[in-house]
Amino acid sequence: EVQLVESGGGLVKPGGSLRLSCAASGFTFSSYSMNWVRQAPGKGLEWVSSISSSSSYIYYADSVKGRFTISRDNAKNSLYLQMNSLRAEDTAVYYCASDTIAAAGPWGAFDIWGQGTMVTVSS
Amino acid sequence: DIQLTQSPSFLSASVGDRVTITCRASQGISSYLAWYQQKPGKAPKLLIYAASTLQSGVPSRFSGSGSGTEFTLTISSLQPEDFATYYCQQLNSYPRNFGQGTRLEIK
Repeated sequence: EVQLVESGGGLVKPGGSLRLSCAASGFTFSSYSMNWVRQAPGKGLEWVSSISSSSSYIYYADSVKGRFTISRDNAKNSLYLQMNSLRAEDTAVYYCASDTIAAAGPWGAFDIWGQGTMVTVSS
Repeated sequence: DIQLTQSPSFLSASVGDRVTITCRASQGISSYLAWYQQKPGKAPKLLIYAASTLQSGVPSRFSGSGSGTEFTLTISSLQPEDFATYYCQQLNSYPRNFGQGTRLEIK
């Protein structure tokens, strides 16, 4: 079964750090770019970061640039998001998502999603 | 950055209705657009990519069209399970922005 499972969320104080993980199974993780998307309570989807299959290309939303670091370990079929200097506005459900669509042509889309992990930044 | 504006933000409709949601891009994105459905407490689900290609397993009552700056998602005959929030996303460039969402509710 194709699956992404996030972990590592929780309650953290402003200024603190947290590392999210996303474990992939059922597909060739190392072949596809991966992404983090977040959703604040009651709000819409916000793209956070993307990483190419070999980690050669990495992109961040301006809202997290300089504070968050995306990485992956293809040997462990895992994606990570290191979050530092956390703020109240980072409170959200964080989803990891793969883009296997782009491997078959020029088009991309986030076709496999995890169930999400909640991050709460509060004192 | 490319901004996406969905309209309407809220839509009330009945089972069996045909509904259309529009997504406008602040600049041309060719056909690099995807549509997602999200139900409360669940992860988004990909419906359409490349503006008009139906993702495997998605019912044929869903369709997408458009290119450049204007795109539409159409549901030909609403079913009870279609009441959800819908998002468009551009994949032409980074940041991979989403539209603000369209909440579809039962009339």
